[in-house]
Amino acid sequence: KAGVTQTPRYLIKTRGQQVTLSCSPISGHRSVSWYQQTPGQGLQFLFEYFSETQRNKGNFPGRFSGRQFSNSRSEMNVSTLELGDSALYLCASSWGDSSYEQYFGPGTRLTVT
Amino acid sequence: SQKIEQNSEALNIQEGKTATLTCNYTNYSPAYLQWYRQDPGRGPVFLLLIRENEKEKRKERLKVTFDTTLKQSLFHITASQPADSATYLCALAPGGSYIPTFGRGTSLIVHP
Repeated sequence: KAGVTQTPRYLIKTRGQQVTLSCSPISGHRSVSWYQQTPGQGLQFLFEYFSETQRNKGNFPGRFSGRQFSNSRSEMNVSTLELGDSALYLCASSWGDSSYEQYFGPGTRLTVT
Repeated sequence: SQKIEQNSEALNIQEGKTATLTCNYTNYSPAYLQWYRQDPGRGPVFLLLIRENEKEKRKERLKVTFDTTLKQSLFHITASQPADSATYLCALAPGGSYIPTFGRGTSLIVHP
């Protein structure tokens, strides 16, 4: 079974721009979660989507948004990029109902200059 | 405030020995606890889950204990190998939540 895929793997953007990251979950998984990982803060939860609805949300500003499509694929968008947004963005998928294990993708390394 | 603590210092051990990593938490009542492995530049990989009513869980060379009185989980890798070198993250979540909170992780280095 194919794992979680994320595109692009690497991205360089300029402050003030916006960016869209994509995640394709494992087939059959209905929950997709997004995390930001930085050396200073570790792995921080952004939001979770289940069946196209945002089910949980972390403590990030409104510049961070996401959505999920009917095929469970998900995108996250960051508008008005700041230098501090430079991080590894990880997507994780799970069944979302009775299973707690999360399966992570390889991540998108975003660098904001 | 809720806090999850993992040793920030790397754990260095010799091949063949048992590695023991610690995860402590405060102001938290987790229903379950997970351990993940993360290699540099890659996403975490799920290893084991243990629930609050379980004391111990094993999987091959891995063993996890969960002491809700001490608010601590221990993660053991027996007969460690250089290939076990990675960062190990613990993650906790309350009942009914599918969103765990992650610790900062502990780096394990196994020397041949």
